Amino acid sequence: NAGVMQNPRHLVRRRGQEARLRCSPMKGHSHVYWYRQLPEEGLKFMVYLQKENIIDESGMPKERFSAEFPKEGPSILRIQQVVRGDSAAYFCASSPPLAGADYNEQFFGPGTRLTVL
Amino acid sequence: GQQVMQIPQYQHVQEGEDFTTYCNSSTTLSNIQWYKQRPGGHPVFLIQLVKSGEVKKQKRLTFQFGEAKKNSSLHITATQTTDVGTYFCAASGGYQKVTFGTGTKLQVIP
Repeated sequence: NAGVMQNPRHLVRRRGQEARLRCSPMKGHSHVYWYRQLPEEGLKFMVYLQKENIIDESGMPKERFSAEFPKEGPSILRIQQVVRGDSAAYFCASSPPLAGADYNEQFFGPGTRLTVL
Repeated sequence: GQQVMQIPQYQHVQEGEDFTTYCNSSTTLSNIQWYKQRPGGHPVFLIQLVKSGEVKKQKRLTFQFGEAKKNSSLHITATQTTDVGTYFCAASGGYQKVTFGTGTKLQVIP
C-alpha cells in the first residue's frame, strides 16, 4: 500500500520559469492538501482539494499559484514565473473521506524541495 | 481565521530529561492532532484527541486535551536522541482543514 507520492523530490528553477509539483494521494483518499514550509518554519496551509473541486484556497497567493486535482491523475500545484521567495519545501498530504465524527489524520508525502536561482 | 500558538519554539534538553510542548487556540476546537517531523523529513501523524480532558499515552509520550478544548500538551518522559525533531499540533475547527501550530523544535543532547 503505497503512501503519498510526490515528484519531483527536488526541483531547481530559474526566476521567471514555471514549477509543476505533483502529488499522488494514498489509494482511497479523496482529499488533498498542499502546504509550504520555509526553512526552520512551520507548515503554512495553501489549498485543500477534493476530486475536481477546490474546497479552500485561502492560503494560496492570489497570483502565480494554482492547484488542481483532476478526476484522473495526480494533484498538481503550479507556480508560474517563480521568484526567489518561492524557494521552500512543498508538502502534499491526503486523507480519506470523512467517516463518522471528524477523524481526519493527514498522511504526508516526502515533499518537493523547490530552489529558485 | 483560526490561530494556533505553540510554546516553546525551541527546546534543548539533556538526554534523559523530560520535555513538554504546549498548544493554545483562540477558539474551541473540534479535535487536535499531533505530528512529528524529523530533520529533513516530512510530518508524521502521532495521535488525535477529540474529547474534553482526554489523555492518551504512547510509550513515553503523553498527550492531553484541555477541558475547554482550547489547549493541548505533549509530554515526553526521559527523552532519547531519537526524539529529536519538530513537534506540531494541528487543530481542526470541525471540517477537514487543519491549522498547524508553529511547532516546537526539540534538540536532545547526548
